Amino acid sequence: EVQLVESGGGLVKPGGSLRLSCAASGFTFSSYSMNWVRQAPGKGLEWVSSISSSSSYIYYADSVKGRFTISRDNAKNSLYLQMNSLRAEDTAVYYCAAGIRFDAFDIWGQGTMVTVSS
Amino acid sequence: EIVLTQSPATLSLSPGERATLSCRASQSVSSYLAWYQQKPGQAPRLLIYDASNRATGIPARFSGSGSGTDFTLTISSLEPEDFAVYYCQQRSNLNTFGQGTKLEIK
Repeated sequence: EVQLVESGGGLVKPGGSLRLSCAASGFTFSSYSMNWVRQAPGKGLEWVSSISSSSSYIYYADSVKGRFTISRDNAKNSLYLQMNSLRAEDTAVYYCAAGIRFDAFDIWGQGTMVTVSS
Repeated sequence: EIVLTQSPATLSLSPGERATLSCRASQSVSSYLAWYQQKPGQAPRLLIYDASNRATGIPARFSGSGSGTDFTLTISSLEPEDFAVYYCQQRSNLNTFGQGTKLEIK
């Protein structure tokens, strides 16, 4: 079964750091680009970052550039998001997502909640 | 940054009716547009990719059309399970999502 499972969310103070993980299974992880998408409470979807299959190409939304770092470990079938200098507006459910059958995000994890509050 | 504007923000219809949702891009995205459905407490589900192609397992009542800057998602006859929030997404230049259209029961 194709699956993405996020972990690492929690409560953190403004200015703090958090590292999210996404464990992939059921497909050849090393062959596909991976993405992070977030959703603030009661709000819409916001693309955060993408990384190509070999980590050669990395992209960020302007809202997180310079603060967040995406990475992957193909040997461990895992995707990461290091989040530094967190702000209240980073509070959201963070999803990892990928397009493995189509050129769109056809698989999603269940999401992990990040709350930035003092 | 390419901005996607969805309309209407909320659409109130009854089961059996036809739904037409719009997504307009601030510049051409060719056919690199997808549609997603999201229900409360769930991750989004891919419905349509590359403007008009249904993803695996998506019922034929869902169809997508358009190219360039104007796109439409049509649900031909609404089923009770179709009431949800719908998002468009472009992948022509990085990725952006529209703000969503809430399809609610009238």
